[in-house]
Amino acid sequence: GQNIDQPTEMTATEGAIVQINCTYQTSGFNGLFWYQQHAGEAPTFLSYNVLDGLEEKGRFSSFLSRSKGYSYLLLKELQMKDSASYLCAVSDSNYQLIWGAGTKLIIKP
Amino acid sequence: IAGITQAPTSQILAAGRRMTLRCTQDMRHNAMYWYRQDLGLGLRLIHYSNTAGTTGKGEVPDGYSVSRANTDDFPLTLASAVPSQTSVYFCASSDSGGTGELFFGEGSRLTVL
Repeated sequence: GQNIDQPTEMTATEGAIVQINCTYQTSGFNGLFWYQQHAGEAPTFLSYNVLDGLEEKGRFSSFLSRSKGYSYLLLKELQMKDSASYLCAVSDSNYQLIWGAGTKLIIKP
Repeated sequence: IAGITQAPTSQILAAGRRMTLRCTQDMRHNAMYWYRQDLGLGLRLIHYSNTAGTTGKGEVPDGYSVSRANTDDFPLTLASAVPSQTSVYFCASSDSGGTGELFFGEGSRLTVL
């Protein structure tokens, strides 16, 4: 079966760095997405990786290793507004998205 | 710019009733999707449409139906609601199928009693 694993919850301190991991087992691979979802709101797109390596976008970076079935989202200089759930999703061989359950990130002052 | 609009935003419904969740997009995206989101679970695809006039079943289609008469509208119908369909429903669209960014509506919170 297809599976996306990510930690349920993480806590970090304002101003610090946090890394949210995602491992996947899917039938085929056409890219990996990260989305941010604030409580009670819709998910919003953060990043898309289809090749191995690190993609940097401001305070957020996303890394992919296809051989290891692994990705992480790195958030730097954490701000209180980064408190949200972070969703990992993989596009499979049929270009359908398989979603992880999300990681709830709690930022403490 | 509206993006994707869903209606209603919230609804309480008696079991056995018929309900249609509306979704309209103004971005001229070909692909549209309906997901449900339940606590502790990832987004689960109910139905999708790759282009106007076509629809497909997702991971959890039972009890739901969709239509795609034109590019902009993608309504989701619960023919006879059951309590297990209590959830938050998100409509989304994309211009690049499974490799493009998804744009989500604000969600419809449905409670079936």
